[in-house]
Amino acid sequence: EDQVTQSPEALRLQEGESSSLNCSYTVSGLRGLFWYRQDPGKGPEFLFTLYSAGEEKEKERLKATLTKKESFLHITAPKPEDSATYLCAVRGSGNTGKLIFGQGTTLQVKP
Amino acid sequence: DVKVTQSSRYLVKRTGEKVFLECVQDMDHENMFWYRQDPGLGLRLIYFSYDVKMKEKGDIPEGYSVSREKKERFSLILESASTNQTSMYLCASSPRGRGSLAKNIQYFGAGTRLSVL
Repeated sequence: EDQVTQSPEALRLQEGESSSLNCSYTVSGLRGLFWYRQDPGKGPEFLFTLYSAGEEKEKERLKATLTKKESFLHITAPKPEDSATYLCAVRGSGNTGKLIFGQGTTLQVKP
Repeated sequence: DVKVTQSSRYLVKRTGEKVFLECVQDMDHENMFWYRQDPGLGLRLIYFSYDVKMKEKGDIPEGYSVSREKKERFSLILESASTNQTSMYLCASSPRGRGSLAKNIQYFGAGTRLSVL
């Protein structure tokens, strides 16, 4: 059964304190791993898609990496505006476009 | 920019009422999805549709139905609302995804927070 586990559930950082969020997955035939950001009371906003082990994507202070078992979202020198819940999802084989989501990591960055 | 619009941000309904949640997308996407999001449980797929008049059950379809009469519109129906359906409901759309894998991206609406009293 396809499964996505994110850790930690919550992370509190000081402004400028770099860290990483983990997304471990089990899926038959990975056809994409997706990172989303969700602010309180809003819908998830797409950040990155990764397709193969070794692939990396960057956007401002965020960098996503992918191995055959997990993905990391590295946050370098975070700012308070990076505070949000970060969701990881995978798409397995099949053409329905369904995603399996993890439960998310809630990041709080204190000034 | 892709836009997915959910008709209401907040709804308050009474137990037993029939509830309609509407979602419209403007990018000609084939796939549309309805999720609910609850603390500690993450996003759970209720129903999805990969074409007009087509629908498939997701992981938690009980108590819900859907309608897709037009490509751009996907409605979620709570036949008889119950208190355990109090939740945040999220609609998403994506292209079909054949060919370029980059087209698998799901784009979400702002969500509807439903309270059933």
